[in-house]
Amino acid sequence: DQQVKQNSPSLSVQEGRISILNCDYTNSMFDYFLWYKKYPAEGPTFLISISSIKDKNEDGRFTVFLNKSAKHLSLHIVPSQPGDSAVYFCAASIGGSNYKLTFGKGTLLTVNP
Amino acid sequence: EADIYQTPRYLVIGTGKKITLECSQTMGHDKMYWYQQDPGMELHLIHYSYGVNSTEKGDLSSESTVSRIRTEHFPLTLESARPSHTSQYLCASSNLVSGTEAFFGQGTRLTVV
Repeated sequence: DQQVKQNSPSLSVQEGRISILNCDYTNSMFDYFLWYKKYPAEGPTFLISISSIKDKNEDGRFTVFLNKSAKHLSLHIVPSQPGDSAVYFCAASIGGSNYKLTFGKGTLLTVNP
Repeated sequence: EADIYQTPRYLVIGTGKKITLECSQTMGHDKMYWYQQDPGMELHLIHYSYGVNSTEKGDLSSESTVSRIRTEHFPLTLESARPSHTSQYLCASSNLVSGTEAFFGQGTRLTVV
């Protein structure tokens, strides 16, 4: 049973527009959430994280929003750039303990020039 | 810039062979992990370590074994490779402080024929 779900396998956006990647989770014990970016044949690269005590965290073009009541988080990329094209993984953990990261299946983002 | 290295990047090997996937980090991190990922699927934790002489099984059962004799080194061994072991293996590390992100290596793509 998947505890972290990324229901959109792929997303295509135009350069300069906003990209919104969504993630849902079922385990209410999760209290720390992370987004990773992965290029083909490379390992995941950490992007941004958010603790459950917050509902928003921003880092440059990347913003993560957390809606605990809906068990939903989203990653916003503004403006999107062609170099953002990659697979984005949502991950969650309990107690901020980053060894027990539970990952979603990922969303392939394609940013068209 | 994360300094965690995996070798080899790609490996094609025959059934029954013993293999060791290498992982080294130069960040002085105490925690290290091995994840397994099949194409289009989520990352699954198969092994982790809190420090020297500490090894634990992850959420996904694996026939591989690991060792942690030195802080910087966390090799994964398969005594007898099988086609079902074909997958991508990702090593990661982090420090002991909760809430900090894990840094990933570039991965080893293993194919057992």
